[in-house]
Amino acid sequence: EPEVTQTPSHQVTQMGQEVILRCVPISNHLYFYWYRQILGQKVEFLVSFYNNEISEKSEIFDDQFSVERPDGSNFTLKIRSTKLEDSAMYFCASSEWQGNEKLFFGSGTQLSVL
Amino acid sequence: SQQGEEDPQALSIQEGENATMNCSYKTSINNLQWYRQNSGRGLVHLILIRSNEREKHSGRLRVTLDTSKKSSSLLITASRAADTASYFCATVSYGNNRLAFGKGNQVVVIP
Repeated sequence: EPEVTQTPSHQVTQMGQEVILRCVPISNHLYFYWYRQILGQKVEFLVSFYNNEISEKSEIFDDQFSVERPDGSNFTLKIRSTKLEDSAMYFCASSEWQGNEKLFFGSGTQLSVL
Repeated sequence: SQQGEEDPQALSIQEGENATMNCSYKTSINNLQWYRQNSGRGLVHLILIRSNEREKHSGRLRVTLDTSKKSSSLLITASRAADTASYFCATVSYGNNRLAFGKGNQVVVIP
C-alpha cells in the first residue's frame, strides 16, 4: 500500500538554527499538510498546500515557517530560526481529494530543539 | 476553533471484549473522523462519518454521531491485542481543510 514517507525520523538542533523536514507524499495525491504534536498535547494543524500554494494555515504557522514543493515529489517544512517550543513530532499528510476527507499520515519527524 | 475531545483517556480491556470511546465537540461540523496511532507511528485513518449520518460500520468498527449532542462514539468489537493503540477523533468544520484533533484515547488490549 502506498505510504507517506518522512525524513529524518529524528532531528536534533540548536535553538536559532534552521531545520528542514522532508516528506514524500503519495504520488497521486494533490493535497498536502503538516501537523505537529507536542508531547502530551493534541495533534495540531499547521498548514495545507494545494496547487503549489498554501491553501490554509493556522496561527502557529507564523513567519518562521514555510513550506515548499520543490520538485513535484518532495514536500518540505522549513523552520527558519528554531525555538525551544518548536520541539514536537511533526507529521506530514496527503490526501487525494479535497482536504477534509481521508488523510494519509507519515510516521513523523521528532524535532528536538536544545 | 473546532476541537474534539475524547473520553475516557485510557482503557484497558481483555482480548475479545468490546472497547468504546467517546468524543465530544463544540461547533457544527462537516464530518468527524477517527484515527489510530500505534506507538511511534503515524496516524491511520479508520472511518469517517458525515454530519448527516448517524451510524457507520467498517469491519469491527462502529461509529455513531449525534449532532444534537455534538458527540460521537467509536466501538471496537471483539478486540484483539493488535488493537492496542491510541485512538483520536478529529472534526472538520465547513469551509476549511483542517482536522481538529482530540487528545486521544490510549487503549490497551490484554491478550
